[in-house]
Amino acid sequence: QKQVVESGGSVVQPGRSLILSCAGSGFTFNSYAMNWVRQAPGVGLEWLALISFDGSEKRYADSVKGRFTISRDDSRKTVILQMSSLRAEDTALYYCARDLLEYRMTYGMDVWGQGTAVTVS
Amino acid sequence: SYVLTQPPSVSVAPGQTARITCEGNNIGREGVHWYQFKPGQAPVLVVYDDTNWPSWISERFSGSKSGNTATLTISRVEAGDEADYYCQVWDNNSGQKYVFGSGTKVTVL
Repeated sequence: QKQVVESGGSVVQPGRSLILSCAGSGFTFNSYAMNWVRQAPGVGLEWLALISFDGSEKRYADSVKGRFTISRDDSRKTVILQMSSLRAEDTALYYCARDLLEYRMTYGMDVWGQGTAVTVS
Repeated sequence: SYVLTQPPSVSVAPGQTARITCEGNNIGREGVHWYQFKPGQAPVLVVYDDTNWPSWISERFSGSKSGNTATLTISRVEAGDEADYYCQVWDNNSGQKYVFGSGTKVTVL
């Protein structure tokens, strides 16, 4: 069964850093681009970052560019989101999601985790 | 930055048809994807690239696009369709990134 599982969420003080992890299973991990998406309390979905299937391309939302870094370790079937200079407005449930098509990007996301909660306070 | 506008809410009676719109400048240039999002659950992709639906999604869900507006149509609405729905595009014009719409709460009366 295809799935991704996020971990690493916690309560952290403003200005500090945090690392989120996402482990994939049940599919050929290194064939798919991966994303991070978040939902702050009472707000809609916000896409944060994408890394291509081979790690050669990375894209970021303006709101996190320069503060967040996405990376992947295909040997561990894991995608990482390094978050620094955290702010109160980064408080959210953070989701990892797989892009729909192998070796492609931009066609939406079909495998999502249950999310990991980050509170900046 | 690119903005996708959705109505905050849509109400529909069971068995009727719900239509959720998503407006964006030049939305016709990019494929539009739609997600169903229920509280406490992960989002579910229900339509991708304007009109396609994943194999695990009911054919009651369909997508269309005309001009600057994309539409998700839910036919023969059921109580289980009550959820938030988000449109999404890949914005190639301002930095190559995904953009989500503002979201629409569908209420089944």
